[in-house]
Amino acid sequence: DQQVKQNSPSLSVQEGRISILNCDYTNSMFDYFLWYKKYPAEGPTFLISISSIKDKNEDGRFTVFLNKSAKHLSLHIVPSQPGDSAVYFCAASGAPHASGGSYIPTFGRGTSLIVHP
Amino acid sequence: ETGVTQSPTHLIKTRGQQVTLRCSSQSGHNTVSWYQQALGQGPQFIFQYYREEENGRGNFPPRFSGLQFPNYSSELNVNALELDDSALYLCASSFKRTAYEQFFGPGTRLTVL
Repeated sequence: DQQVKQNSPSLSVQEGRISILNCDYTNSMFDYFLWYKKYPAEGPTFLISISSIKDKNEDGRFTVFLNKSAKHLSLHIVPSQPGDSAVYFCAASGAPHASGGSYIPTFGRGTSLIVHP
Repeated sequence: ETGVTQSPTHLIKTRGQQVTLRCSSQSGHNTVSWYQQALGQGPQFIFQYYREEENGRGNFPPRFSGLQFPNYSSELNVNALELDDSALYLCASSFKRTAYEQFFGPGTRLTVL
């Protein structure tokens, strides 16, 4: 039973265009959402996050949108660059007080983004 | 500032054996979490250690156990290895247990034959 779903295993985009990566979740208790980026032979690195009290968070070329009613979030990368080619993981967590005081994320399966020069 | 390191990089074991994986957390981080990432899947939470005690556990059997040391480094031990234990094992540290952002190591690739 996947609580965090990334239904597109891969996405191919031209350099300079927008990349949109999607993520759906089923657990209404999720309170905080993150995106991680993973290059081959490296561990995931934190990219951007959003709290459930917000519907948008921006950091440079990266913007995350949250639609709580639809249980959907998306990551927009504008403009896309070849160095953005990586696997992107969506992760979600309940509030720490609801899980023994710790943050325990549930990850999606990832979307492989390829940005062509 | 040293990042999260893991050893070994790769490991091959046979079914029924035991394995120990090691992780050194980022300087100043007191919380370590371990994840299993099977091929084509996202990282799956195994457990978390905070100040040398287990602070949360995912849906993994007791043959997956861990330790955290006073310097906040950590070990993941897996007994009675099964073929399905073949995966990338990721360690992540955070500066406190309620921190949302985690810093991951490069992982240990375990193959069970």
